Amino acid sequence: GENVEQHPSTLSVQEGDSAVIKCTYSDSASNYFPWYKQELGKGPQLIIDIRSNVGEKKDQRIAVTLNKTAKHFSLHITETQPEDSAVYFCAANQAGTALIFGKGTTLSVSS
Amino acid sequence: KAGVTQTPRYLIKTRGQQVTLSCSPISGHRSVSWYQQTPGQGLQFLFEYFSETQRNKGNFPGRFSGRQFSNSRSEMNVSTLELGDSALYLCASSSLGTNYEQYFGPGTRLTVT
Repeated sequence: GENVEQHPSTLSVQEGDSAVIKCTYSDSASNYFPWYKQELGKGPQLIIDIRSNVGEKKDQRIAVTLNKTAKHFSLHITETQPEDSAVYFCAANQAGTALIFGKGTTLSVSS
Repeated sequence: KAGVTQTPRYLIKTRGQQVTLSCSPISGHRSVSWYQQTPGQGLQFLFEYFSETQRNKGNFPGRFSGRQFSNSRSEMNVSTLELGDSALYLCASSSLGTNYEQYFGPGTRLTVT
């Protein structure tokens, strides 16, 4: 089955800096890669996703890149703000299978 | 559009008891998935229901079960509770399933004593 590794587990940046979180997956058949943001006391919130037929996707300050050959994908947050502080999860799956999550990255943005 | 709602938000049970959690998906969504979140294991998939049928099941013991009603609302049940079942239980709804956008509810925090 699918296995997703996520790094780093914690990340501290200064406001305005960029943050990058990386994930690797094991199943080459996986074709859907979402990213979730979870704030304290809340459920995970979908912030961006990408499919295997696309190499990069952007939404304002957030971007995701996918390298199918290396089986890794990354979340890039530019111009970080204190409200970006949260736990971020990557995930992967293919149709008809469970969505498998990484262990999460705690991002702290200090002003 | 209203989001995913889960009830109750907090629950304290004793070992050996059973518990039922409820999830109301976003209107029009037919897929409901359940996840268990713990500090040690992270987010783990329990099962998915689509149009009242279990479509997928994770690697959890048979004590964990679920069902979905004709209005897409879903319930999950845990029987013979163990201390290790203490966790945040999240449900997520989707129009098409786990390979598409899923929207999570706030979760039910279950504590087993």
